[in-house]
Amino acid sequence: DTEVTQTPKHLVMGMTNKKSLKCEQHMGHRAMYWYKQKAKKPPELMFVYSYEKLSINESVPSRFSPECPNSSLLNLHLHALQPEDSALYLCASSQGTFSGNTIYFGEGSWLTVV
Amino acid sequence: SQQGEEDPQALSIQEGENATMNCSYKTSINNLQWYRQNSGRGLVHLILIRSNEREKHSGRLRVTLDTSKKSSSLLITASRAADTASYFCATALYGNNRLAFGKGNQVVVIP
Repeated sequence: DTEVTQTPKHLVMGMTNKKSLKCEQHMGHRAMYWYKQKAKKPPELMFVYSYEKLSINESVPSRFSPECPNSSLLNLHLHALQPEDSALYLCASSQGTFSGNTIYFGEGSWLTVV
Repeated sequence: SQQGEEDPQALSIQEGENATMNCSYKTSINNLQWYRQNSGRGLVHLILIRSNEREKHSGRLRVTLDTSKKSSSLLITASRAADTASYFCATALYGNNRLAFGKGNQVVVIP
């Protein structure tokens, strides 16, 4: 069972809406990630936070805005999304950001943009 | 960029049989990891093999890594219906945990 919790599990939003995806972990991990996964495709990295600071932004459009309020929480704020942004959004965490750290994923939030 | 690339196989096997899937990558790596994903669910970490390791076991899983051929294989022995899932390999470069996932293999185990 995953120890990374994501809410909501499903979200339907209009293109003019503002919504947020939330992620929480209590494993004491200092690195947190957002991945995007389209149907039948592999996950693609969006953002990496290390010690609550944004360390990697994979050229993600500004309509996606990440936030790390503390070491246990990670949010993804959504605004003015497009239908092609509909996907499974996966949060993950690891002890640190050095390679070799196992990355643990949450169950994901299914986003549908209408 | 995507490094890990599995052979684009969809495996359909009988319960009790073994399932093997492969992964190839393009550049030097620090480690390679395998993940399982049940339909519409999150990814579950299965096993990590470091670049200086050649083989690793975990329960019914056996992973091999051939750095000279830049390839890895995942073997699931004595498969069960619950093993039905997509399996992804992911590579990590030295110095960061930026995982690059392969395309994934769909495995169906028929009871």
